[in-house]
Amino acid sequence: TQLLEQSPQFLSIQEGENLTVYCNSSSVFSSLQWYRQEPGEGPVLLVTVVTGGEVKKLKRLTFQFGDARKDSSLHITAAQPGDTGLYLCAVHKETSGSRLTFGEGTQLTVNP
Amino acid sequence: NAGVTQTPKFRILKIGQSMTLQCTQDMNHNYMYWYRQDPGMGLKLIYYSVGAGITDKGEVPNGYNVSRSTTEDFPLRLELAAPSQTSVYFCASSYSNRAADTQYFGPGTRLTVL
Repeated sequence: TQLLEQSPQFLSIQEGENLTVYCNSSSVFSSLQWYRQEPGEGPVLLVTVVTGGEVKKLKRLTFQFGDARKDSSLHITAAQPGDTGLYLCAVHKETSGSRLTFGEGTQLTVNP
Repeated sequence: NAGVTQTPKFRILKIGQSMTLQCTQDMNHNYMYWYRQDPGMGLKLIYYSVGAGITDKGEVPNGYNVSRSTTEDFPLRLELAAPSQTSVYFCASSYSNRAADTQYFGPGTRLTVL
């Protein structure tokens, strides 16, 4: 059983459309991170959310941490081809110290 | 700052061969990590280090070894390569082990074992 379930696994949309991807768990976390990974590169941190119900915006990207701190969503408005990539959520398990656990990711393709 | 650098970028090994994946960071981070990423999957932790001379196993350590003789370098050793080790390997570093801290990733090494 995966600690983090990301959905959908794959998403292909047209430029200008809106989309939401999800990261769900049955566990409670002190914080949750979203990373984006472009082809041939390592993941890059987009945001960290730490408070239940917290909403953070990064240009056209809106991140929300669930009230119970078990899940998170990422909404992209007016998607652009440059948004194409693998979106990964990640958490620290309470008993694992510095160890991040990643979800399997959502592969997003934005077609021009 | 170069950040986290990894060499080589690509490598093909034959079954049973050995190799070392190099990782260097110039951010003076104490914490360093090795992950592997299989196609269409997230990252799985192989080994990590909380400082020079200190290493520990992650989720998938079998078939790998690490050392940390300096703050900057964290090489990953593959002994007796197997096809199951075909993957993309990422090294990362962070300043602290706080849950909200950022991990900085290298560009990866794509390894194929035939």
